[in-house]
Amino acid sequence: DARVTQTPRHKVTEMGQEVTMRCQPILGHNTVFWYRQTMMQGLELLAYFRNRAPLDDSGMPKDRFSAEMPDATLATLKIQPSEPRDSAVYFCASGLTLGGDLTDTQYFGPGTRLTVL
Amino acid sequence: GQNIDQPTEMTATEGAIVQINCTYQTSGFYGLSWYQQHDGGAPTFLSYNALDGLEETGRFSSFLSRSKGYSYLLLKELQMKDSASYLCAVMDSNYQLIWGAGTKLIIKP
Repeated sequence: DARVTQTPRHKVTEMGQEVTMRCQPILGHNTVFWYRQTMMQGLELLAYFRNRAPLDDSGMPKDRFSAEMPDATLATLKIQPSEPRDSAVYFCASGLTLGGDLTDTQYFGPGTRLTVL
Repeated sequence: GQNIDQPTEMTATEGAIVQINCTYQTSGFYGLSWYQQHDGGAPTFLSYNALDGLEETGRFSSFLSRSKGYSYLLLKELQMKDSASYLCAVMDSNYQLIWGAGTKLIIKP
């Protein structure tokens, strides 16, 4: 049963600390998305990659957030330094885009629930 | 600007039918998706419409009118497990999924 995995599932940290979230996309998927979800803002796209190349990270606060795909099986989202307003659920999703076709289905991981005190 | 509107909350009775509407204004349009999200869970894909008309998958159907910027998700024979939030998402001309805030559906016995 192929699924997206994320670690950690929960993270509580203090303001100013570095936070690293990891995602393993479904094997064979070539597109990876990072989202943030809060009650106030709903689901926000932070960044996405296709074939490991970053295509768009305009939704991400550049001064403290960074996203990378060191290889096809791992995507990371890092916050340094973290702030209380970063408290949210962070979802990773993956999909398959072939040629010029669009990724119409995204498969979400279980999310990382981050609390910054 | 980009805008997707859905009702915030709806209530329906077990066994009944409910229709969740979504209207959108986006810069370009490639398709519209519906996702289901249970409390504390992740969004899961339900349907995708790129062309006008009705798509049916079991108890769920999704309709799209591109000229009206309108879609709905129809849920039949409601079950208690259908209590969840339903998210409408539009793929715009930049191939970005623009997400609605979601409709929380409450099913009562």
